Amino acid sequence: NAGVTQTPKFQVLKTGQSMTLQCAQDMNHEYMSWYRQDPGMGLRLIHYSVGAGITDQGEVPNGYNVSRSTTEDFPLRLLSAAPSQTSVYFCASGKTGVRTGELFFGEGSRLTVL
Amino acid sequence: GENVEQHPSTLSVQEGDSAVIKCTYSDSASNYFPWYKQELGKRPQLIIDIRSNVGEKKDQRIAVTLNKTAKHFSLHITETQPEDSAVYFCAGRDSWGKLQFGAGTQVVVTP
Repeated sequence: NAGVTQTPKFQVLKTGQSMTLQCAQDMNHEYMSWYRQDPGMGLRLIHYSVGAGITDQGEVPNGYNVSRSTTEDFPLRLLSAAPSQTSVYFCASGKTGVRTGELFFGEGSRLTVL
Repeated sequence: GENVEQHPSTLSVQEGDSAVIKCTYSDSASNYFPWYKQELGKRPQLIIDIRSNVGEKKDQRIAVTLNKTAKHFSLHITETQPEDSAVYFCAGRDSWGKLQFGAGTQVVVTP
């Protein structure tokens, strides 16, 4: 089991560029989510999904798109990067419903927007 | 939606003393309350969790208590050691799996 795999680990973008952060899990988890963490700050939920074809917004969704075409993958898209999106991004997955339990985190992706 | 508040934001303790971090939550549907520890530059790691049908859980030097009526839960670390220094996050998770974190507590254990 690889767990939750995020790529890339580091990325530098210019304002206005687009990119996709990839997230994959091999634990057959229904739930997947993206968080951002700014320096000295907590983890803020961007988008989440409770299964293939189902996505919903978290607390800070603006500027980000997601899709969930398979159980394993949950990519996060920045359509037009802004300096305010400079952050560390974590993907996390877990079980849902009565089996709700631990959320497993990827190693994080550090994004800098110039 | 869920709103989790966490206090204090920083906590400095002498090695060997106890540390207590408190959280409140707003969503009655939340039924699972994990605590994560995050060291600098690392991903959050689960250290202990509690479900809504349990009032207290202990694992060696750490324990968590839950008061469902008051919507409070707390983390207790006894006999603190320098390696306990980190940021600790509480969270509330509803039955769909959506997890909302508190703002975090920076714990510093001084020798």
